[in-house]
Amino acid sequence: AQTVTQSQPEMSVQEAETVTLSCTYDTSESDYYLFWYKQPPSRQMILVIRQEAYKQQNATENRFSVNFQKAAKSFSLKISDSQLGDAAMYFCAYRSLTQGGSEKLVFGKGTKLTVNP
Amino acid sequence: DTAVSQTPKYLVTQMGNDKSIKCEQNLGHDTMYWYKQDSKKFLKIMFSYNNKELIINETVPNRFSPKSPDKAHLNLHINSLELGDSAVYFCASSPLFPGNTEAFFGQGTRLTVV
Repeated sequence: AQTVTQSQPEMSVQEAETVTLSCTYDTSESDYYLFWYKQPPSRQMILVIRQEAYKQQNATENRFSVNFQKAAKSFSLKISDSQLGDAAMYFCAYRSLTQGGSEKLVFGKGTKLTVNP
Repeated sequence: DTAVSQTPKYLVTQMGNDKSIKCEQNLGHDTMYWYKQDSKKFLKIMFSYNNKELIINETVPNRFSPKSPDKAHLNLHINSLELGDSAVYFCASSPLFPGNTEAFFGQGTRLTVV
């Protein structure tokens, strides 16, 4: 079974600075997807960024980018120019492609990000 | 228009009661899920349905019974509620085909058993 590990329960960053959240995963599969989800105090789960395992190029979405190291099974999230609205729980998630179309998300335990003004 | 909507958003009930949470998605997705988020914020899959057919049942007590009347709806009924059932329950949906897609989540239902 796949597992996802987020080793940083909490992180903090100053507004306008850059922060990196860590994620490692364990799988024997070669094809899969990786995601970062954001959960603000409103509780809503919001997709931040996705990465297909077969793509070598790291995904970017505006101020958010990932460092995907497939051999090391590492998938870190970098937030540049941090804003107060980035404060939230961040979850790394793995999604298999080999479950007949009903792929489930396997989540890490989350990292609580605080942004200081 | 809300893509995945759950009702109710909050539910407080006594031990031993039976309660239901409803979920509807208007995205035309084939697959729907229930996830549970515990007090430590850990999210774990409970069930998935594909076109009304149960696909994943992740060692959930049989007091929990999902029902999918059609592919746009997935309800969760819980019998004989226990204190340990207190959590946030998320409904989600995704398209059937594998591809560059993510799961879309509802706003969650915070269940408190007293």
